[in-house]
Amino acid sequence: EPEVTQTPSHQVTQMGQEVILRCVPISNHLYFYWYRQILGQKVEFLVSFYNNEISEKSEIFDDQFSVERPDGSNFTLKIRSTKLEDSAMYFCASSPLVGFTDTQYFGPGTRLTVL
Amino acid sequence: DAKTTQPPSMDCAEGRAANLPCNHSTISGNEYVYWYRQIHSQGPQYIIHGLKNNETNEMASLIITEDRKSSTLILPHATLRDTAVYYCIVRPGTDKLIFGTGTRLQVFP
Repeated sequence: EPEVTQTPSHQVTQMGQEVILRCVPISNHLYFYWYRQILGQKVEFLVSFYNNEISEKSEIFDDQFSVERPDGSNFTLKIRSTKLEDSAMYFCASSPLVGFTDTQYFGPGTRLTVL
Repeated sequence: DAKTTQPPSMDCAEGRAANLPCNHSTISGNEYVYWYRQIHSQGPQYIIHGLKNNETNEMASLIITEDRKSSTLILPHATLRDTAVYYCIVRPGTDKLIFGTGTRLQVFP
C-alpha cells in the first residue's frame, strides 16, 4: 500500500539555523499539507498546497516558513531561522480528490528539536 | 476551534467492540464526518468518513444519526494495537483538518 514518507525522522538544530523537512507524497495525489504537533498538544494545520501554489495557510505559517515542490515527487517545508518554539513533530499529508472529498494520508512525521 | 465533542477517555476489553461517540450538533449540510487515530506520536491514521449514510470498511464502522448531529465509530473487535487517541472531525469535502483533543481509547487484556 502506498505511503507518505518523510525524512529525516529526527532533526536537531541550533536556534537561528535553517532546516528543510522533506516529504514524498503518495504518487498521483494532488493536495499536499503540513501539520505540526508540539509535544502534548493538538495537531495543528500549517499550510495546504495545490497546483503548485499555497491554497491556505494558518497564522503559524509566517514569513519564516515556506513550502516547495521542487520536482514531481518531493514536497518540502523550510524554516528559515528556527526558534525554540518550533520544536515539534511535523507531519506531511497528501490526498487525492475523489468526487467532492479528499482524504488526507499522513506520513510518520519528523521530530524537530531546536536547541 | 473543533466543531465536535468527544469524551476524553474510554476503556475497552480486548476482543470486545469499542464504541466511540462524537457530538457534532452544528454540522452543516456539506460537511463530512471523518475519523482519524493517532498511536503514540505517530502520524494520524485515516479510519473512515461519511456524509449521512452509515459506512463500513476493513477497520471500522461509522454510524451517523439521521439528524447528523452525532455519530459513533465502532471497532468491532478491539485489540491492544487499537489503543490510541481517536479524533472525530467535521469538515467540508476539501479543507484542512482541525484536530481537537480526541478520545484516548485504552484497550486492556
